[in-house]
Amino acid sequence: DSGVTQTPKHLITATGQRVTLRCSPRSGDLSVYWYQQSLDQGLQFLIQYYNGEERAKGNILERFSAQQFPDLHSELNLSSLELGDSALYFCASSGSRFHGTGDTGELFFGEGSRLTVL
Amino acid sequence: GQNIDQPTEMTATEGAIVQINCTYQTSGFNGLFWYQQHAGEAPTFLSYNVLDGLEEKGRFSSFLSRSKGYSYLLLKELQMKDSASYLCAVTNSNYQLIWGAGTKLIIKP
Repeated sequence: DSGVTQTPKHLITATGQRVTLRCSPRSGDLSVYWYQQSLDQGLQFLIQYYNGEERAKGNILERFSAQQFPDLHSELNLSSLELGDSALYFCASSGSRFHGTGDTGELFFGEGSRLTVL
Repeated sequence: GQNIDQPTEMTATEGAIVQINCTYQTSGFNGLFWYQQHAGEAPTFLSYNVLDGLEEKGRFSSFLSRSKGYSYLLLKELQMKDSASYLCAVTNSNYQLIWGAGTKLIIKP
């Protein structure tokens, strides 16, 4: 158990719809990262928040948005869904402000939210 | 551009040794990670190298040569449970974490 909690675990929806994925980081971790992993593909970094502020942006579509709340949980909003958005969405947390630095840069991943768009 | 290259798939025999290579071209370097990911599950941290040399952790070892932009993950005494994808990731000078596509390791009895 990594200590990172993601809900829901599975989600099936239709094209054009909007969904919200939720993530609670490990206790004490200030950084939250969102990743997308399509079937048999590598991890694609979407966005990072550190202590409530956006810290870094990756390949996040304009239809997607995220935020981190004062209690440090984060939500990823996916709108106008397309078939190609079907994927595993991982949330990860770390104690470091910087993505992948030093021992504290180790990422702890949640179990993921599997999104299926029909 | 920045990229990380790993073999797509490797096959090895239970009890044997396998070496998974990773070469990288990034804008600067601030460390290299190896993660293990079983199918449909979350990646889990295996190792971190920032200085040249070999880091050993039980059956797993990771090696780094910064001058060559090269790392490998060595798995000894392979077990069936080691069947997974192994992801190489590099932190560049802007503290972006660049991920390889992963190497799928298949262990045969």
